[in-house]
Amino acid sequence: AQSVTQPDIHITVSEGASLELRCNYSYGATPYLFWYVQSPGQGLQLLLKYFSGDTLVQGIKGFEAEFKRSQSSFNLRKPSVHWSDAAEYFCAVGDTGGFKTIFGAGTRLFVKA
Amino acid sequence: SAVISQKPSRDICQRGTSLTIQCQVDSQVTMMFWYRQQPGQSLTLIATANQGSEATYESGFVIDKFPISRPNLTFSTLTVSNLSPEDSSIYLCSATDRGRFNEQFFGPGTRLTVL
Repeated sequence: AQSVTQPDIHITVSEGASLELRCNYSYGATPYLFWYVQSPGQGLQLLLKYFSGDTLVQGIKGFEAEFKRSQSSFNLRKPSVHWSDAAEYFCAVGDTGGFKTIFGAGTRLFVKA
Repeated sequence: SAVISQKPSRDICQRGTSLTIQCQVDSQVTMMFWYRQQPGQSLTLIATANQGSEATYESGFVIDKFPISRPNLTFSTLTVSNLSPEDSSIYLCSATDRGRFNEQFFGPGTRLTVL
């Protein structure tokens, strides 16, 4: 069965520091992979997505993620975090044979001055 | 991309009553979904709203408790029936379309508090 694991429940980084949020998935083939961000009181916004091709994908707000098939990972990175990046981040796996998406438990990012 | 609106944005309801949430998409979409997000938790899929037919419910969710309608390709409603405090959650509507590889667009959510 498909599953998504985000090992870190919360992470605190200093403003200006680099960020990496971890995501591991379980899926029988190459899945569709997503990162979403949810600010307090808001819906989810897509940061970036991977379907095929180049394993390093660029997203909005300066985020990028790298698909590593050998590690079943799709980690999210940002070279310099801004205070406005404080939010909940969800990794998700899409079923290539259908329309469903499985979401990870989320990682809450705190940014300190 | 699709823009999704939900009404109401929040509500406080009494135990035993029902709340109907509306979801409107600004373009025709193939698939619409309803999720529940309990406080501090991830998203749990309640059901897929099928246009012109009964919704497809996930394990643990039943039609009597969460009746769903989808009369056309841009609109859906979710009713949460016989409310109890355990139903206090954020309810999210999302949509995707063929050719979008499961990329979903989300509404802003409806925050429900049951007293």
